[in-house]
Amino acid sequence: GAGVSQSPSNKVTEKGKDVELRCDPISGHTALYWYRQSLGQGLEFLIYFQGNSAPDKSGLPSDRFSAERTGGSVSTLTIQRTQQEDSAVYLCASSLGLAVYEQYFGPGTRLTVT
Amino acid sequence: RKEVEQDPGPFNVPEGATVAFNCTYSNSASQSFFWYRQDCRKEPKLLMSVYSSGNEDGRFTAQLNRASQYISLLIRDSKLSDSATYLCVCAGNMLTFGGGTRLMVKP
Repeated sequence: GAGVSQSPSNKVTEKGKDVELRCDPISGHTALYWYRQSLGQGLEFLIYFQGNSAPDKSGLPSDRFSAERTGGSVSTLTIQRTQQEDSAVYLCASSLGLAVYEQYFGPGTRLTVT
Repeated sequence: RKEVEQDPGPFNVPEGATVAFNCTYSNSASQSFFWYRQDCRKEPKLLMSVYSSGNEDGRFTAQLNRASQYISLLIRDSKLSDSATYLCVCAGNMLTFGGGTRLMVKP
């Protein structure tokens, strides 16, 4: 079946511009996560959606970052006024529910801020 | 101190060798533990869950020591295709990933 998809796969933007990254989770998965991974580094948790509950935004690095999940499915991560330090691979994952379940990752969006 | 700590490596081993990685975690409330594998420029994928009694999947053995708050992954008879970064993951209310340990298996 279809896995987690993300778009775009690559995004180059100028410093100060806003970007939107999209994630389509696996159908039926109620939990959706966003992570950031800088070159050669581990995964940095950003935000977590579980069903209709309020999202856990504890990992968002600044108020320039926001995310939405519409209809319990597709999610959009928005970065406003991008900075060079925002350059990273942004990974989305979905799972059946609680953190104890396996997370399935999308291929990621490689963001480069020039 | 990071919540989940791993030796970043790289571990360079010859084919056929046995190699072990450890991972320590600081949140004693962590309930579940996993090892993920991440190939270069690819997304992480679940390798195996880690059970309290220890578990084995082919050449891979995972163990959990709750008292000392560490988990381990043992790979026997290493293959070239095992070359990857291995991420330790601890789950409480949230999944927390370690920084990963890089393994390079040489011919």
